Amino acid sequence: GAVVSQHPSWVICKSGTSVKIECRSLDFQATTMFWYRQFPKQSLMLMATSNEGSKATYEQGVEKDKFLINHASLTLSTLTVTSAHPEDSSFYICSARGQGHETQYFGPGTRLLVL
Amino acid sequence: GDSVTQMEGPVTLSEEAFLTINCTYTATGYPSLFWYVQYPGEGLQLLLKATKADDKGSNKGFEATYRKETTSFHLEKGSVQVSDSAVYFCALSEHGNKLVFGAGTILRVKS
Repeated sequence: GAVVSQHPSWVICKSGTSVKIECRSLDFQATTMFWYRQFPKQSLMLMATSNEGSKATYEQGVEKDKFLINHASLTLSTLTVTSAHPEDSSFYICSARGQGHETQYFGPGTRLLVL
Repeated sequence: GDSVTQMEGPVTLSEEAFLTINCTYTATGYPSLFWYVQYPGEGLQLLLKATKADDKGSNKGFEATYRKETTSFHLEKGSVQVSDSAVYFCALSEHGNKLVFGAGTILRVKS
């Protein structure tokens, strides 16, 4: 149980385009979803926290107009990287947590390469 | 702010060797502590956790004890297997809020 999927697993796009990444909880209701970013050989850095039906809470230094997060249902959250640039190339990972639970369950990640 | 420091890797061991991956933390309160594992090509999985001082988390032969006096949560396993090769992340969470991760330690086990 507690499976989280992400789609796509890989995406290559041109500079200036927008990319949408989906995160789904497959067998539980995720009241809270988290989006992380991981640079090579570095740790996961939390970008934002989203609660179903509410606006996301962004960490300091993360541009909310650039990284749009939508958590419209209890099983789906999306991260849209708008007007992507090469410096946005990274590994994006989501996690999900059910109501009243502390444990986060992680998706397999999405590798974004912006050319 | 809260932070987690874990030993740099990669750690390379022979099968059946003893494993220790050090993890220390800095926190303002009394966090819960976690070890996550990431196998090649997969997402992070919770390996074990401890929620208060002196608690011992254990799973799949791995153990870690929450040491408040040394602010540590070192991961140990008595006899590693090739299948344990992965990246291990130490993390903390205060009040069930966001996770703060260490940098991750690559473990390579040779047969």
